Amino acid sequence: GQQLNQSPQSMFIQEGEDVSMNCTSSSIFNTWLWYKQDPGEGPVLLIALYKAGELTSNGRLTAQFGITRKDSFLNISASIPSDVGIYFCAGQLDFGNEKLTFGTGTRLTIIP
Amino acid sequence: SQTIHQWPATLVQPVGSPLSLECTVEGTSNPNLYWYRQAAGRGLQLLFYSVGIGQISSEVPQNLSASRPQDRQFILSSKKLLLSDSGFYLCAWDNRNSPLHFGNGTRLTVT
Repeated sequence: GQQLNQSPQSMFIQEGEDVSMNCTSSSIFNTWLWYKQDPGEGPVLLIALYKAGELTSNGRLTAQFGITRKDSFLNISASIPSDVGIYFCAGQLDFGNEKLTFGTGTRLTIIP
Repeated sequence: SQTIHQWPATLVQPVGSPLSLECTVEGTSNPNLYWYRQAAGRGLQLLFYSVGIGQISSEVPQNLSASRPQDRQFILSSKKLLLSDSGFYLCAWDNRNSPLHFGNGTRLTVT
């Protein structure tokens, strides 16, 4: 089946730094989603991408739908302590009509 | 707006006891419903999904079962819990008009 490779697995950064993470797939998707999970809570949807090449922002977060439809990127600018958590990417070929394929997550830690 | 409710938030159960976790969705009709499990510090494993009442698809063989008695209700059950059933269980929903949204999760500890 489809697999998503999400990298890096973990990041240790200082407050104020920018963050970049990405997901690559062995096959194409028509929807890319990015989620953030705080400890002990369910993942929360950050950004949804529906078109190849699309670049979408949500505050300090920016995500891009790769032009090949096999990858997506998430950038966080000027990180703050509340950015700590696990970030998951997910891809879907037929929106709302099939289960998502999730990446393995990127754990973001901010070093004081 | 749509909301998803999942309960209980935490649960401690002895080995061999039954389990029932409930999830309900409000503000939408005919959602796709999902149960995921997450081991500590790990990724999301899809256990069951349902596209309609009484329609359940199982993703992995296990000690658990799921049921959908009503359109917006999804239940995760077990007749006899195992230690390996411990984990963080997440209910989620989506449909043609909305991407996947998760509930707040249930932390299950089997002792």
